[in-house]
Amino acid sequence: KQEVTQIPAALSVPEGENLVLNCSFTDSAIYNLQWFRQDPGKGLTSLLLIQSSQREQTSGRLNASLDKSSGRSTLYIAASQPGDSATYLCAVNAWDGNKLVFGAGTILRVKS
Amino acid sequence: GAVVSQHPSWVICKSGTSVKIECRSLDFQATTMFWYRQFPKQSLMLMATSNEGSKATYEQGVEKDKFLINHASLTLSTLTVTSAHPEDSSFYICSARPGGVQPQHFGDGTRLSIL
Repeated sequence: KQEVTQIPAALSVPEGENLVLNCSFTDSAIYNLQWFRQDPGKGLTSLLLIQSSQREQTSGRLNASLDKSSGRSTLYIAASQPGDSATYLCAVNAWDGNKLVFGAGTILRVKS
Repeated sequence: GAVVSQHPSWVICKSGTSVKIECRSLDFQATTMFWYRQFPKQSLMLMATSNEGSKATYEQGVEKDKFLINHASLTLSTLTVTSAHPEDSSFYICSARPGGVQPQHFGDGTRLSIL
């Protein structure tokens, strides 16, 4: 059974810092991995999707890496802003691409 | 593009009431829709997967007679929580996916509170 773990559970940083969120998964037979953002009481916004054959994806100040063999992914946020404050969720898609398994998330607070 | 609308966004009702939540894909046809539940400070847990025109596939531990799912068209799926009780209070989120192995697109969720 696939399990996804995210560390840290919560993070508070001053504005402008670069930060790294970590995600690990137990079964390396994945189709892809996604990072989502969730604002309080809201649904999910997809940030980055990395296919199993890829090593990283970038979008603006966000960079996500994937090391499938070791079961790890990181989300790097450069020059953090208060507007980045949210919960960040990592999810892996099973080998058949039909089921997302989520981590518990990292609650990020960027202080101005 | 790829907008998923979920309605209602918030429901408060008495114990024993049945509650229906709608999930619509507004600008694409969703061959597959997914229903998730999220308890406070916990992650999303998949409840069931539904394909248009066929019965939903429920995850282990999810009561299919309690959580009725209908996916009658390529743009609409409904989740009915039957005879809801306080322990059913949660945040329910749907997602929809076009045909093939495409990313899921998520609705904004429904906060269900049973008194």
